[in-house]
Amino acid sequence: AAGVIQSPRHLIKEKRETATLKCYPIPRHDTVYWYQQGPGQDPQFLISFYEKMQSDKGSIPDRFSAQQFSDYHSELNMSSLELGDSALYFCASSSDAGGNTQYFGPGTRLTVL
Amino acid sequence: GESVGLHLPTLSVQEGDNSIINCAYSNSASDYFIWYKQESGKGPQFIIDIRSNMDKRQGQRVTVLLNKTVKHLSLQIAATQPGDSAVYFCAENSGGSNYKLTFGKGTLLTVNP
Repeated sequence: AAGVIQSPRHLIKEKRETATLKCYPIPRHDTVYWYQQGPGQDPQFLISFYEKMQSDKGSIPDRFSAQQFSDYHSELNMSSLELGDSALYFCASSSDAGGNTQYFGPGTRLTVL
Repeated sequence: GESVGLHLPTLSVQEGDNSIINCAYSNSASDYFIWYKQESGKGPQFIIDIRSNMDKRQGQRVTVLLNKTVKHLSLQIAATQPGDSAVYFCAENSGGSNYKLTFGKGTLLTVNP
């Protein structure tokens, strides 16, 4: 079965640079979620989109923004990167028909030097 | 704020034994709970879920129990195998939200052959 696709899988950036992470949900899923997971930590919710509209917002820094496009893929844009932004970034997707169960992608490992 | 927490950070069992991983939640408005398995460097993998109108749900080798009275969730794994070694997270739908999950701190399960 098709899963959530994230790209790139690994990303290395310098401080103050920008990064864009992409997420392609499972086909026919209309909701995407972004989570950040630091080393040894649990995933922390950042933001979610349902039918291309922001549906909920968590602890996402103002330096980060995200959107969902007409084909339901989503991008997380991160600017003025800081060392503390180094983490695993997961995208998940769900559909109302599936009872909102969130299925996670493999993640993007961002390293800020 | 309210959060989901786990009693035990690590659990070590012998292959073939049954494993029980516990979780306490504090948001009484949450009505959907999920257990995820996360292997090193990978995304959380859906194991089983349960809604608040149920006390028990069984899957293949796994059972989730929900005690709403004491706000307690548990995951039982029967005949634990080395491939079950991973970090297990419980998550709740954050007070009834359809668009975000709050994760607990995770329990590292180690299965000894």
